[in-house]
Amino acid sequence: AQSVTQLGSHVSVSEGALVLLRCNYSSSVPPYLFWYVQYPNQGLQLLLKYTSAATLVKGINGFEAEFKKSETSFHLTKPSAHMSDAAEYFCAVSKNAGNMLTFGGGTRLMVKP
Amino acid sequence: NAGVTQTPKFRILKIGQSMTLQCTQDMNHNYMYWYRQDPGMGLKLIYYSVGAGITDKGEVPNGYNVSRSTTEDFPLRLELAAPSQTSVYFCASRSRTVNTEAFFGQGTRLTVV
Repeated sequence: AQSVTQLGSHVSVSEGALVLLRCNYSSSVPPYLFWYVQYPNQGLQLLLKYTSAATLVKGINGFEAEFKKSETSFHLTKPSAHMSDAAEYFCAVSKNAGNMLTFGGGTRLMVKP
Repeated sequence: NAGVTQTPKFRILKIGQSMTLQCTQDMNHNYMYWYRQDPGMGLKLIYYSVGAGITDKGEVPNGYNVSRSTTEDFPLRLELAAPSQTSVYFCASRSRTVNTEAFFGQGTRLTVV
């Protein structure tokens, strides 16, 4: 069975600081990996996805994530936080194209002025 | 450009009442999912469908039922509502094409009192 662990249910950074949100997965086969963002009272929207073409994946709004198979990690980063980045972020994994997504518990990012 | 549409957005139910959460998508996706989101718990899969006429249980199916008579629609039925079903419900759809993301509706916030 697949599982996803997001370390830190809440992360607080200052505006302009580096954002690092951690995601580790357990999977018996190379997985498909996704990061989603959820703004208050809204649905989830895709930030980026791992396609296996490149280990460093760039997404929307300046976010990127690096797939590290040896560490079974897919951490999300952004060099400089903006107030508008405050939201909840979810890492998700699926075993294949049509299989269900398994989500981590989410990390709420707070950005201080 | 509707994507995934859920209705209603909000609902208050009394214990023991029943209701149907509606979900429709206009992207001709084969796969559809129902998740519930509880604070700090991420998203848990309730039911999913890989095509019209085919449904299967997810991680937390008890107290729910689904049907999939068309590609577009995937309603979720709550029978005999209980306070434990107070949650935010998300419907999602996904193409069967390799490594595609899921698209989410805006959610239904349900309170059972």
